[in-house]
Amino acid sequence: GEDVEQSLFLSVREGDSSVINCTYTDSSSTYLYWYKQEPGAGLQLLTYIFSNMDMKQDQRLTVLLNKKDKHLSLRIADTQTGDSAIYFCAEKGGGADGLTFGKGTHLIIQP
Amino acid sequence: ETGVTQTPRHLVMGMTNKKSLKCEQHLGHNAMYWYKQSAKKPLELMFVYNFKEQTENNSVPSRFSPECPNSSHLFLHLHTLQPEDSALYLCASSQDGGRSFSYEQYFGPGTRLTVT
Repeated sequence: GEDVEQSLFLSVREGDSSVINCTYTDSSSTYLYWYKQEPGAGLQLLTYIFSNMDMKQDQRLTVLLNKKDKHLSLRIADTQTGDSAIYFCAEKGGGADGLTFGKGTHLIIQP
Repeated sequence: ETGVTQTPRHLVMGMTNKKSLKCEQHLGHNAMYWYKQSAKKPLELMFVYNFKEQTENNSVPSRFSPECPNSSHLFLHLHTLQPEDSALYLCASSQDGGRSFSYEQYFGPGTRLTVT
């Protein structure tokens, strides 16, 4: 079945760039997403990329997609304490209506 | 109210109780979803409703019963749950524009369910 893998933790210093990586297995993925979840809250859609694109930039966020390797990354420039959260990678395959999520990466900001 | 709302935010129930979770979306979307978020596991898609019709049931036990009376409201009826059903239950909605659409899903804050 479809699978989405992420590292569970990433620790960065405030002001540095954070790069969160994700791999997926469904070669028919049409869209890939990054969601952010803060403690006690639901998931907030950060950005998404269509599978025929290889990069998308939105202010401090840069998404890179390597479709050949089925690898997706989210780069957060100038990481701030407010960026501390769990970041979920998700993909929409060609079949089911719902999304397949990774387990999430806890982004920890060091002062 | 804007976005996707869920009530209650927290629920504690015994294994013999019957309760319902409610989700409402104010985004004009026509697809709604229930997800289960357990510790150390990926979000699990439970049910999908598209134009009020259930289009997906991911092998969810019958003790979970969804209801979608209209495209703005979604319920999850719970009965005779087990302690392992304790989790955060998230509702989401999206605009269904066909298979090539971006399917951006917007989530509610979730209901934290504890089964004792």
